[in-house]
Amino acid sequence: AQSVTQLGSHVSVSEGALVLLRCNYSSSVPPYLFWYVQYPNQGLQLLLKYTSAATLVKGINGFEAEFKKSETSFHLTKPSAHMSDAAEYFCAVSGGSNYKLTFGKGTLLTVNP
Amino acid sequence: GAGVSQSPRYKVAKRGQDVALRCDPISGHVSLFWYQQALGQGPEFLTYFQNEAQLDKSGLPSDRFFAERPEGSVSTLKIQRTQQEDSAVYLCASSLRGGDPTDTQYFGPGTRLTVL
Repeated sequence: AQSVTQLGSHVSVSEGALVLLRCNYSSSVPPYLFWYVQYPNQGLQLLLKYTSAATLVKGINGFEAEFKKSETSFHLTKPSAHMSDAAEYFCAVSGGSNYKLTFGKGTLLTVNP
Repeated sequence: GAGVSQSPRYKVAKRGQDVALRCDPISGHVSLFWYQQALGQGPEFLTYFQNEAQLDKSGLPSDRFFAERPEGSVSTLKIQRTQQEDSAVYLCASSLRGGDPTDTQYFGPGTRLTVL
């Protein structure tokens, strides 16, 4: 079985500040991990994914995440927040013969001017 | 190229009515997924197709939910005798390969179903 826990349902940062969104996973098989972003009334868009190559993964819009097996974590970071980053962010896991995505409950990011 | 499209974008149904939700995946994509997203929650898996074969329907909440993809492209999710707890956003996603857990899933905009 696989599961994802996203700590903090709502994160608020100032424009230009560091963004850190937390994701911890549980998996009985080697996991593949994904971060998606969802803007209002839109579908989910992939930001980045970890598929067992490099543990530090760079994605679109300046986001990156680091896979840490010892901590079962895959936190998402961005050095400097932009107003356009305001959205809901979902962490998801798949793995083994499990091709479906199991999502966390999401973190709503607010960026204050 | 065109992404995943879904129709209708919004659907209001009276309790007990049947509804049909359509998904047009990206052309050539082998895999197609349906997810249900309740308000304030992450998407939850409903069912999976590889071409026209429905390989996994473990997430369908009841036998009122039925999905098909008869020609391996367009898919329809049908909900019979809708109930208030069926109110949610229904997301469709497609991916290029079959049965590959590393493959990127591309999501449509969703259909927001409201059952009164």
